[in-house]
Amino acid sequence: NAGVTQTPKFRILKIGQSMTLQCAQDMNHNYMYWYRQDPGMGLKLIYYSVGAGITDKGEVPNGYNVSRSTTEDFPLRLELAAPSQTSVYFCASSGVNTGELFFGEGSRLTVL
Amino acid sequence: EDQVTQSPEALRLQEGESSSLNCSYTVSGLRGLFWYRQDPGKGPEFLFTLYSAGEEKEKERLKATLTKKESFLHITAPKPEDSATYLCAVPNTGAGSYQLTFGKGTKLSVIP
Repeated sequence: NAGVTQTPKFRILKIGQSMTLQCAQDMNHNYMYWYRQDPGMGLKLIYYSVGAGITDKGEVPNGYNVSRSTTEDFPLRLELAAPSQTSVYFCASSGVNTGELFFGEGSRLTVL
Repeated sequence: EDQVTQSPEALRLQEGESSSLNCSYTVSGLRGLFWYRQDPGKGPEFLFTLYSAGEEKEKERLKATLTKKESFLHITAPKPEDSATYLCAVPNTGAGSYQLTFGKGTKLSVIP
């Protein structure tokens, strides 16, 4: 039982490049979330999903896209990377509608 | 706007020196307050959920309490392994799913 798995752990992008952060969970959770965490700031919700085929915007969605084709996977797409997207990204999942989230170990992204 | 404020930002304790961390919130119709622990380079790990004023939860040297406006995380006789950043979070007002607003955290350092 791996929980929530994120890849890659580290990535450096050039301005304007695109990439996808992968997230997979093996707990059969319906709810999945993407947060970003910047130094000295709280976790900010980017996108979330309440089940396969259903996604919605969080607090800071601009510059990102998501999809949820299966219960297990919730990839986050960055289009046209900008320095402001330099951050640590966390994927999380939860079972029934609850604030008890299970987080991955994070993906550290640097845009230069 | 829902807000979560944690204090202090950082706290240094000697091993065995008990203290408390504070989390104050402004949200209508609280649907739970959640405490997480985050170790450096890791994702947050769920600790407690509190739902109503007067409720208390305990885990080893940690005890979380809740009033109508704030929550406290009491640390009794801390050990160096309790060093971490402690985050609190509340669900956004009116959100259909558990979209959490996180505080910025309190970084706890326990010195041997």
